[in-house]
Amino acid sequence: GAGVSQSPRYKVAKRGQDVALRCDPISGHVSLFWYQQALGQGPEFLTYFQNEAQLDKSGLPSDRFFAERPEGSVSTLKIQRTQQEDSAVYLCASSTQPPGLAIEVPKFFGPGTRLTVL
Amino acid sequence: KNEVEQSPQNLTAQEGEFITINCSYSVGISALHWLQQHPGGGIVSLFMLSSGKKKHGRLIATINIQEKHSSLHITASHPRDSAVYICAVRRGAQKLVFGQGTRLTINP
Repeated sequence: GAGVSQSPRYKVAKRGQDVALRCDPISGHVSLFWYQQALGQGPEFLTYFQNEAQLDKSGLPSDRFFAERPEGSVSTLKIQRTQQEDSAVYLCASSTQPPGLAIEVPKFFGPGTRLTVL
Repeated sequence: KNEVEQSPQNLTAQEGEFITINCSYSVGISALHWLQQHPGGGIVSLFMLSSGKKKHGRLIATINIQEKHSSLHITASHPRDSAVYICAVRRGAQKLVFGQGTRLTINP
C-alpha cells in the first residue's frame, strides 16, 4: 500500500494480557515513531527509530512497554501485563529522513490501533 | 500547564464561516505543525511552519515566534472540514509535543 499500515486496527485485551501491535511504515522510510493517544487527548511521543536503531525511548511509560524494529522496516510495539490505563490509540508514523538532517518530522501517520484493556 | 495549549477545545460553526483555531506554546521550538485527524484516527500533516505564513487552498497557517503563538484559519468552511485539528511543536531532534486538539464541526 501507499501509506503506513498498522495491525490490528482494534484490540481488546484482558488486564494482565500481553499484546503486540504492528506497524508497516512506508517502504524506504528511515524514521519511525510510535505515539500513544488517550481519548480526547493529543498524541504523546513514545519512541523513535532511525532504521533499526532505537534512538529515543524516553516516552515509554513503563518497562512493560517495549518496541523493536529489527530489520529497519516493520516495527512492533509490545505491551506486557496490560493495565486499564494502557487503553488508547497507538499511532505509528514514518518519514523519509532522519530528523537531524532536515526539519521534517513525521508526515505520514498510520490509522492507529485502538487498544481497549478490560 | 501543558507546553502546547490550543483554543477553543470545541468549535461548531455553519458552513461558509471563517474559522480560527489558536495554538500557544511555552517553550522554544524549531518548527510547528498543524495536523488534521479524522474520525477513525487517520492523521494528515497540513503545515509545517518555522516563521511567517503558509497557505494551501482554503487553509492558512500563521506563526509569531516572539509571541509563541500560531493560528490556523479555514476560509469558506465546509462540512468535510469537520475533524480534530492538532497543533504540534518540534523540540530537539525528533520529538513532537502535541496539543490536545480542537474538535471542529461544520454544520451544513
